[in-house]
Amino acid sequence: DAGVIQSPRHEVTEMGQEVTLRCKPISGHNSLFWYRQTMMRGLELLIYFNNNVPIDDSGMPEDRFSAKMPNASFSTLKIQPSEPRDSAVYFCASSPTERGVNQPQHFGDGTRLSIL
Amino acid sequence: KQEVTQIPAALSVPEGENLVLNCSFTDSAIYNLQWFRQDPGKGLTSLLLIQSSQREQTSGRLNASLDKSSGRSTLYIAASQPGDSATYLCAVPPQGGSEKLVFGKGTKLTVNP
Repeated sequence: DAGVIQSPRHEVTEMGQEVTLRCKPISGHNSLFWYRQTMMRGLELLIYFNNNVPIDDSGMPEDRFSAKMPNASFSTLKIQPSEPRDSAVYFCASSPTERGVNQPQHFGDGTRLSIL
Repeated sequence: KQEVTQIPAALSVPEGENLVLNCSFTDSAIYNLQWFRQDPGKGLTSLLLIQSSQREQTSGRLNASLDKSSGRSTLYIAASQPGDSATYLCAVPPQGGSEKLVFGKGTKLTVNP
């Protein structure tokens, strides 16, 4: 099993640019989660999908952030336009969770995003 | 609103010592609690998941306990090794059986040879 795969591992870009982060969940997992980790705020859930449908996006900070899951094997998190305060490590995780029943989440190695 | 606190924020111990990491949460109506490990530059690895009906879970040298009524969990590491050095995070659903998780900020553990 290849685990959760995220790309790119590192991204450095100037403010105002569009940033797209990508995630391939573990095959067979039907829940996918996007998190952001910073020193100040720790690990925060941005949005999660179940069976490709967004279930809760209450953690998405503002309209500049959007996430899609067009199929069971791919998801994107997009920031447009990016700002320096968006600098953080963004993690994707997946689990075989059915709605309301937790199973351990499996995390990718993250994308370290720096907005200059 | 569910809040998770982990104390201490950092801990340094000599190799071989038994140690306890603490986690507290404000809303005790949880279905489960999870402990994760995070190595530098890496994602999180799930260590143990305790269902609300359980009092503890064990995996090798790790033992996690859960006391819902007091809103506390502990992670016990026996005979610590330098390879145990990492940040340990606990997480609970914000309420009931939600798939969402609210994380503590973690305890950074250093085990010195």
